Amino acid sequence: QKEVEQNSGPLSVPEGAIASLNCTYSDRGSQSFFWYRQYSGKSPELIMSIYSNGDKEDGRFTAQLNKASQYVSLLIRDSQPSDSATYLCAVRKGGYQKVTFGTGTKLQVIP
Amino acid sequence: NAGVTQTPKFRILKIGQSMTLQCAQDMNHNYMYWYRQDPGMGLKLIYYSVGAGITDKGEVPNGYNVSRSTTEDFPLRLELAAPSQTSVYFCASSHRDLYEQYFGPGTRLTVT
Repeated sequence: QKEVEQNSGPLSVPEGAIASLNCTYSDRGSQSFFWYRQYSGKSPELIMSIYSNGDKEDGRFTAQLNKASQYVSLLIRDSQPSDSATYLCAVRKGGYQKVTFGTGTKLQVIP
Repeated sequence: NAGVTQTPKFRILKIGQSMTLQCAQDMNHNYMYWYRQDPGMGLKLIYYSVGAGITDKGEVPNGYNVSRSTTEDFPLRLELAAPSQTSVYFCASSHRDLYEQYFGPGTRLTVT
């Protein structure tokens, strides 16, 4: 079982819709959770971090964490073509200084 | 702030050559990381450092070496380059308590 799992996609959504990206992790001791966006040929860019159960909102982005079910999700409201990118989920286990990245979900927003 | 900078942006190496990828950050971050990313794959951790003089291996350290003599700089050394080291290399840094990583623009390396 991979430490961090994501569906590779592509996930296609129409412009203006809500895009829902999911990530599961294997270690129950995980404490820190991150979402990064990576455009083709570019470096990953931090979108959001979440550390406790529940929702965290930042503009059009909402991160959701459910530690009991070991999943973290990212919702993108009012999706725009400029949101088309690969979204990487990253998880840090408690007591560790490093994070593990998933392989990413490719999102395509169709105009 | 420049953030995290990496040089060079592109490099072609012949098999058996060596080179150093440079990484610097001006955010006074304690932690620094080196990743490689192969096409269509996720990020694999090569080495990381929690402070000057302290480094540790990641998931794929073979064929690489690092040093960290200052807080700002974290160079990655490739010895005896092999085609399997063809990849995009990213350097990242984070604050000690938050672990939110900020990435440099990357170095695209081809070994032929």
